[in-house]
Amino acid sequence: AQTVTQSQPEMSVQEAETVTLSCTYDTSESDYYLFWYKQPPSRQMILVIRQEAYKQQNATENRFSVNFQKAAKSFSLKISDSQLGDAAMYFCAYRSVDNYGQNFVFGPGTRLSVLP
Amino acid sequence: DTAVSQTPKYLVTQMGNDKSIKCEQNLGHDTMYWYKQDSKKFLKIMFSYNNKELIINETVPNRFSPKSPDKAHLNLHINSLELGDSAVYFCASSQDGFYTGELFFGEGSRLTVL
Repeated sequence: AQTVTQSQPEMSVQEAETVTLSCTYDTSESDYYLFWYKQPPSRQMILVIRQEAYKQQNATENRFSVNFQKAAKSFSLKISDSQLGDAAMYFCAYRSVDNYGQNFVFGPGTRLSVLP
Repeated sequence: DTAVSQTPKYLVTQMGNDKSIKCEQNLGHDTMYWYKQDSKKFLKIMFSYNNKELIINETVPNRFSPKSPDKAHLNLHINSLELGDSAVYFCASSQDGFYTGELFFGEGSRLTVL
């Protein structure tokens, strides 16, 4: 079974600075998907960014980018120019392509605080 | 128009009661899910269901039962509620097959058992 680890339970960043959240995963599969979800205090789960394992190019979405290291099974999220609205829980997630992709596994989350 | 909607958003009830949470998705997705988020924010899958197969997490007590009247709905029924059932329950959906995309979540339902 796949597992996802986020080794930083809490992180903080100064407004306008850059922060990197770590994620590692364990799998024997060669093809899969990785995601970062954001959960603000409103508790809504919001997709931040997605990476397909077969793509070597790191995904970017505006201020959010990932460093995907397939061999190391690492998938970190970089937030540039941090804003107060970025304060939230961030979850790394793995999705298998087997079984019609129904196997979604989440990490334990990292709570990000943004300091003004 | 909300993509995945669940009701109610909040439930407060006594131990031993039975409760249901409803979920509807208007995305035309094949698969729907129920997740439980505990007080430490861990997200744990409880069920996934499409029109072919119900997959149950074996650690989920059989007091929890999903009911799907059609492809767009997956309701969660809980019998004989216990204190440990207090949590936020998320409904989600995804499109399957060749394109395996992300999960779309509902807003969550916070259940408090007294």
